[in-house]
Amino acid sequence: QVQLQESGPGLVKPSQTLSLTCTVSGGSISSDNYYWSWIRQHPGKGLEWIGYIYYSGSTYYTPSLKSRVTISVDTSKNQFSLKLTSVTAADTAVYYCARGQHLFDPWGQGTLVTVSS
Amino acid sequence: SFELTQPPSVSVSPGQTASITCSGDKLGAKYACWYQQKPGQSPVLVIYHNNKRPSGIPERFSGSNSGNTATLTISGTQAMDEADYYCQAWDSSNVVFGGGTKLTVL
Repeated sequence: QVQLQESGPGLVKPSQTLSLTCTVSGGSISSDNYYWSWIRQHPGKGLEWIGYIYYSGSTYYTPSLKSRVTISVDTSKNQFSLKLTSVTAADTAVYYCARGQHLFDPWGQGTLVTVSS
Repeated sequence: SFELTQPPSVSVSPGQTASITCSGDKLGAKYACWYQQKPGQSPVLVIYHNNKRPSGIPERFSGSNSGNTATLTISGTQAMDEADYYCQAWDSSNVVFGGGTKLTVL
């Protein structure tokens, strides 16, 4: 049974880069033609898809964040990562990693990232 | 841009049927899925490809999608079904979530 776990700093200063890693266990990140996604949820709000990556490195990002987002994959570590540059308070959210391209199952437990000086 | 609209809240009595709608332009021509999110927990996929249930999801959860509206139906609603529910679809490779519906069982 595949499980995902997010990790990374819980506090990031404005204008800096948010960096998170998702570790996949119970299965290979490069098997079964799965894509891997990042999704965020602002406090008390709904879900916002950020983008996805294939194990080959192919990516697709939501247009509203495309200029600031990079998703990468490290198949040797069974991990994929999110970088979001030039963060502001509006990027404060719970960040989830999930398996999937157009539907998501399963999800990681999520990690709260607060942008504050 | 493609948008999905859900009612902010729905209430249902225990044992009754709850219906949560999700509206979007020509949504019936796309695949819709639904997630359940309980407080402090990650979302869980409960319906995919309009009407399919993942393994482990109770049979009381069902879905439909036609025209401009997808519907999540929970038959014989239980107290444990109280949660936020999000619909989701994709359009031109962009994933879109609805704003979420809080289901109250009272």
